[in-house]
Amino acid sequence: RKEVEQDPGPFNVPEGATVAFNCTYSNSASQSFFWYRQDCRKEPKLLMSVYSSGNEDGRFTAQLNRASQYISLLIRDSKLSDSATYLCVVTYNFNKFYFGSGTKLNVKP
Amino acid sequence: DGGITQSPKYLFRKEGQNVTLSCEQNLNHDAMYWYRQDPGQGLRLIYYSQIVNDFQKGDIAEGYSVSREKKESFPLTVTSAQKNPTAFYLCASSGRRSTDTQYFGPGTRLTVL
Repeated sequence: RKEVEQDPGPFNVPEGATVAFNCTYSNSASQSFFWYRQDCRKEPKLLMSVYSSGNEDGRFTAQLNRASQYISLLIRDSKLSDSATYLCVVTYNFNKFYFGSGTKLNVKP
Repeated sequence: DGGITQSPKYLFRKEGQNVTLSCEQNLNHDAMYWYRQDPGQGLRLIYYSQIVNDFQKGDIAEGYSVSREKKESFPLTVTSAQKNPTAFYLCASSGRRSTDTQYFGPGTRLTVL
């Protein structure tokens, strides 16, 4: 079983839509959680950290559910520029990062 | 400017040749990592280093070698033993705290002809 699993998509949504991705992780001892964004042929870039209390950054909201071992990312009012692949990242065993394979989002005009 | 640099951006090599990819960081991070990404796939860990002069194999270390002689530098050598070396190679670094995240360099796209 993979450490981190994501639906690969693609999620095709119109501009202005709200879209949500989930990511499940297998190790209950996981310590930290992040969402990264990766544009085509570029490096992944940190989008946001995910805290137990959840966190919001503008149109983006991340949630953590430790009991069910998943994290989620909600994007409101989607923009064309949100089109990218979103990677879920989980850490444990100090400095060991586990990446999901990514969920592809296409925002259409 | 603080960050991670990788060079070159594109690299072409003939089959059977060893090639070394450069990765330098000035973020004063202790940990450094090498990943490989194939088209439409996720990141796979090749090697990582948590401290100078020490490194560990990741999930796909066969055919690769690394060194960590300086904190700032973590070069990766793709040897002729690596069966399918054509890929996008990403270097990353992170701090020591469990809440620290990874920062990536721009990547090197290696094509073996």
